[in-house]
Amino acid sequence: SQTIHQWPATLVQPVGSPLSLECTVEGTSNPNLYWYRQAAGRGLQLLFYSVGIGQISSEVPQNLSASRPQDRQFILSSKKLLLSDSGFYLCAWSGTSGLSTDTQYFGPGTRLTVL
Amino acid sequence: RKEVEQDPGPFNVPEGATVAFNCTYSNSASQSFFWYRQDCRKEPKLLMSVYSSGNEDGRFTAQLNRASQYISLLIRDSKLSDSATYLCVVNRFNDYKLSFGAGTTVTVRA
Repeated sequence: SQTIHQWPATLVQPVGSPLSLECTVEGTSNPNLYWYRQAAGRGLQLLFYSVGIGQISSEVPQNLSASRPQDRQFILSSKKLLLSDSGFYLCAWSGTSGLSTDTQYFGPGTRLTVL
Repeated sequence: RKEVEQDPGPFNVPEGATVAFNCTYSNSASQSFFWYRQDCRKEPKLLMSVYSSGNEDGRFTAQLNRASQYISLLIRDSKLSDSATYLCVVNRFNDYKLSFGAGTTVTVRA
């Protein structure tokens, strides 16, 4: 069965510091991968998605970047965090063909607080 | 207009009651529909996909109305463990991007 991991689970960082969040998927090959952010009391906002190694699409202009160095690894980064980067960061995966691309499965998330 | 809109609630219901709520979507090209459940400070988990004919999974029934562009979720015989936020999710076929509603909060009380 497929599993998705994220770490760290929680993170408190000062403004201006760098960020690196990691997501890995097991039990599937060549998944589509996604990064979302959920601000307190709000819906999920898609930040990036990737359909393959090195292929990243950005959904919104922002202070963040993403990379996919390996098939089942997805990394979210920032060079300098802003207060507005605080939130709950969720990684998700889906299949790559037909209807399987529709259903996304989420990792446990990273709760980031920028002070 | 938001792509997916939900009544935020909260819906406060006693154990054993039935609770139902809707979600509307704006894109008529939408083809896939889901309900996710999200517990406080946890990740969303897929509750059920919504099929055009409507579908049932135990105490949960989902309905799709394409003409009016809404999806409903009904929970029968509510349990305390049903307390959560329910997210309505919509997608176009073979489109990588899901559109999420902000969620409907349900609280089941003893």
